[in-house]
Amino acid sequence: KQEVTQIPAALSVPEGENLVLNCSFTDSAIYNLQWFRQDPGKGLTSLLLIQSSQREQTSGRLNASLDKSSGRSTLYIAASQPGDSATYLCAVLTQGGSEKLVFGKGTKLTVNP
Amino acid sequence: DTGVSQDPRHKITKRGQNVTFRCDPISEHNRLYWYRQTLGQGPEFLTYFQNEAQLEKSRLLSDRFSAERPKGSFSTLEIQRTEQGDSAMYLCASSPRVTGPNYGYTFGSGTRLTVV
Repeated sequence: KQEVTQIPAALSVPEGENLVLNCSFTDSAIYNLQWFRQDPGKGLTSLLLIQSSQREQTSGRLNASLDKSSGRSTLYIAASQPGDSATYLCAVLTQGGSEKLVFGKGTKLTVNP
Repeated sequence: DTGVSQDPRHKITKRGQNVTFRCDPISEHNRLYWYRQTLGQGPEFLTYFQNEAQLEKSRLLSDRFSAERPKGSFSTLEIQRTEQGDSAMYLCASSPRVTGPNYGYTFGSGTRLTVV
C-alpha cells in the first residue's frame, strides 16, 4: 500500500528566504508525482507534475525534483513571498492495481513579511 | 472550459439529514474522483468513475454514502443520515484518461460540509 509522508508538517520563514519542502513515498512504481497548493478552506491547485521518467520540473520560482529509486521528491521555492503562504500537498499516482492519487498530509507554509 | 465545478461550496446540515453534492468535471475528462479531507489531513480517496462506471470504492465509503455519474458527465455524492463525523471538505477531481505519466488531476474548489 502506497504511503506518502511530508516533512516538515509546518514551516515559518521570513520573506525572501529560499526553502525546501520534502515528500517521501514507499512504493517507487509510480506514474507521476504532483505538487498541489491549498489555501485555507479552498480546493487544490496543481503546481507541478513530474513524470516517473523525469528528474525535475520548473515553474517560475518553483522547482520540483524526483528521485524515484529512493522514493523522494522535493519542492524548492525561491525568494519566498507572503503570498506563498498556504499548505503544500504532495501526491503520487501509483502503477498497477488501484491507480489513484495518494496524498501526504501536507506542509503548512507561512511566509512572514 | 472553466475547470472542475462543485456545488454547493458550503453546506450546513443537521445530524440525520440527507445531503447531496454535485461535481461537473472538465468536459473531455473521462475519469472523475471523489476525495474527503478533514482538518490537518491530506485528501483521502472515496471513489472514482470511468465514464459512467464506478470502478472502485474505498472502505471509507460506508453504506450511507452513494455516488453516481449518469451518462458519464456530472457526478453526485449523497450522504444519508449524516453524522458529525461526516463533517469535512469533499473534493472532486477529473483526469483526461485512464492512466499514464502525463496526466494529472484537476481538482474543484470543494464542498465544505458541517453537520451540527
